[in-house]
Formats: sequence, C-alpha cells, structure tokens
Amino acid sequence: DQQVKQNSPSLSVQEGRISILNCDYTNSMFDYFLWYKKYPAEGPTFLISISSIKDKNEDGRFTVFLNKSAKHLSLHIVPSQPGDSAVYFCAASSNTGNQFYFGTGTSLTVIP
Amino acid sequence: DAGITQSPRYKITETGRQVTLMCHQTWSHSYMFWYRQDLGHGLRLIYYSAAADITDKGEVPDGYVVSRSKTENFPLTLESATRSQTSVYFCASSPSSGTEETQYFGPGTRLLVL
Repeated sequence: DQQVKQNSPSLSVQEGRISILNCDYTNSMFDYFLWYKKYPAEGPTFLISISSIKDKNEDGRFTVFLNKSAKHLSLHIVPSQPGDSAVYFCAASSNTGNQFYFGTGTSLTVIP
Repeated sequence: DAGITQSPRYKITETGRQVTLMCHQTWSHSYMFWYRQDLGHGLRLIYYSAAADITDKGEVPDGYVVSRSKTENFPLTLESATRSQTSVYFCASSPSSGTEETQYFGPGTRLLVL
C-alpha cells in the first residue's frame, strides 16, 4: 500500500511561472520529508527537506510547504526554468523506522 | 573518482539466471541502500545496510540477496531472475542514520529479464 502518493504523474509550466508539485502521505508517524530530482539516465539527487516541526523551508527558488493536519506537502519552484524539467520524487521517513518511503514521481516540463 | 558508482549500467539476462549488481562508494558512508524503480511504484527499498556485515530487509526483499563484507561495497544478487525483476535498480548511501540524512544515489542499473 502506497504510503506516499503523488497523484499528478506530469505537469507542464511556462518558463518564469510557478511550478507546484504535490505530495500526500498516510502515515502520521512520518516526521521528515524530502524532495528529490531525477534527470533521465541519472540517479535521484537531493533537492530540499523539511522536518515536521516546521511548516515551510526555503532554499533559493525552491520552497517546501508542510501541512501536517492534511498530511500534505508541496514543492514550489519560482521562477521555473527549463533546466528544472525532471522527475520529482517526494519521500518521507519516521524516526522510529529505518527507511524512506518514496512517492511515484511527477514529471515536470518547463516550456521555454 | 569519488562518489557512488554502479555496474553494470545495463544488463540483459534470462529467467532463472543469477545476476549480481555492484555498488561502490568512496565516501566511507555507513549506510547503503538498494532500491528498484518501477512505473506506478516510484522507488521501493529492497535491502539496506547500516554497516559492514549488518543488513536488513526493506519493502520488497523477496528474490534478492545482499552482502556487505566491506564498507564501500554493497552487491545485490538476484538468485534466480524472474521477469518481474525487470526494473531500474539504484544504490544509495548516507553517512549516518538514514532517516534524517540525505541519501546519495548512484546512476542506476537498467536490468531486463527475458
């Protein structure tokens, strides 16, 4: 059973606009969340993370928002650039466990 | 080169054959992981290791065997490959307890089982 879900398999955005990628989780024990970015034929690379004690974390053009009551997190990319075109995975973990659980990924295309 | 490498990058095999996928990291990270990526499932953990000679099962361990005799190497063996094991396999490592540490991924091995 998928504990981390990304319900949008793909997203297209114009260059310069905002990209919003969404992620939902079911396990209330999750307390640490990450976003990874993956280009074709490469491994995922870490993008940004957030702990459950925060509701927002910002790093340059990337901001992650966490809504614990809704069990929802989102990644905002502003402004979007063509180089941001990639597959984005969200992942979650709990301090009582030993592994991350990944979502199915969202393929972002930024149109020049 | 420093980092995490996987070999082979591409592999075609037949049902019933044994296949070993290699993973090597140069950072001396304690934790290492094996994932498989499949359409509709994202990344799923197969096995992980907290240190040399310490391994544990992840979400989907059936049909796989791992070993870790040295900190830097974490091979994954499919004892008798099946078509359902056709996938892209990623190895990852992290410096300490995996759940709040960034994991660093290798480039992946694309495996096709005929």
